[in-house]
Amino acid sequence: EVQLVESGGGLVQPGGSLRLSCAASGFTFSSYSMNWVRQAPGKGLEWVSYISSSSSTIYYADSVKGRFTISRDNAKNSLYLQMNSLRAEDTAVYYCARVSGDMHYFDYWGQGTLVTVSS
Amino acid sequence: AIRMTQSPSSFSASTGDRVTITCRASQGISSYLAWYQQKPGKAPKLLIYAASTLQSGVPSRFSGSGSGTDFTLTISCLQSEDFATYYCQQYYSYPPYTFGQGTKLEIK
Repeated sequence: EVQLVESGGGLVQPGGSLRLSCAASGFTFSSYSMNWVRQAPGKGLEWVSYISSSSSTIYYADSVKGRFTISRDNAKNSLYLQMNSLRAEDTAVYYCARVSGDMHYFDYWGQGTLVTVSS
Repeated sequence: AIRMTQSPSSFSASTGDRVTITCRASQGISSYLAWYQQKPGKAPKLLIYAASTLQSGVPSRFSGSGSGTDFTLTISCLQSEDFATYYCQQYYSYPPYTFGQGTKLEIK
């Protein structure tokens, strides 16, 4: 069974940093590209970042470019999101989501971790 | 970036109804469209990809159609567990991957 479990969320002050993790199991993690997608309270889904299976290709949304860094450790079956210079508008539930093979829809999602940026 | 627009943003329906949700892309995306269902406090769940292919395990009352710029998600006979928010997503041109704003389906 495919499982994605996020962790690392919490309350952080504006300008602060946080590192999110996503632990994957039930599939060959190193063969799949991954994403982070977020959802602000009461709002819709916003794609944040993409990383290919070998980390050779990385994309960011304009809203986080230069502040967030996506990475992965295939030996540990883990995906990460380092978030720096956090702003109130980064407050959201952050989901990790698997890319389905060669087609770039998101076939499995984690349960999400809440990041709250507030003083 | 390709903009995805869903309609309606919300509506009410009754169990047993047939409902259709529309998603329009700001430019042609062929059939590179997915539909997701999200229930309160839960992660999104993939329903349909490639505009009309049902994900494994998804009930056959869900169906998708369309190509180019106009797409629809149809639920043929609403069940109580179908009341949720539905999102479309294009994966034709990225980055960025873009989602529609969501359609909240409520019980009448």
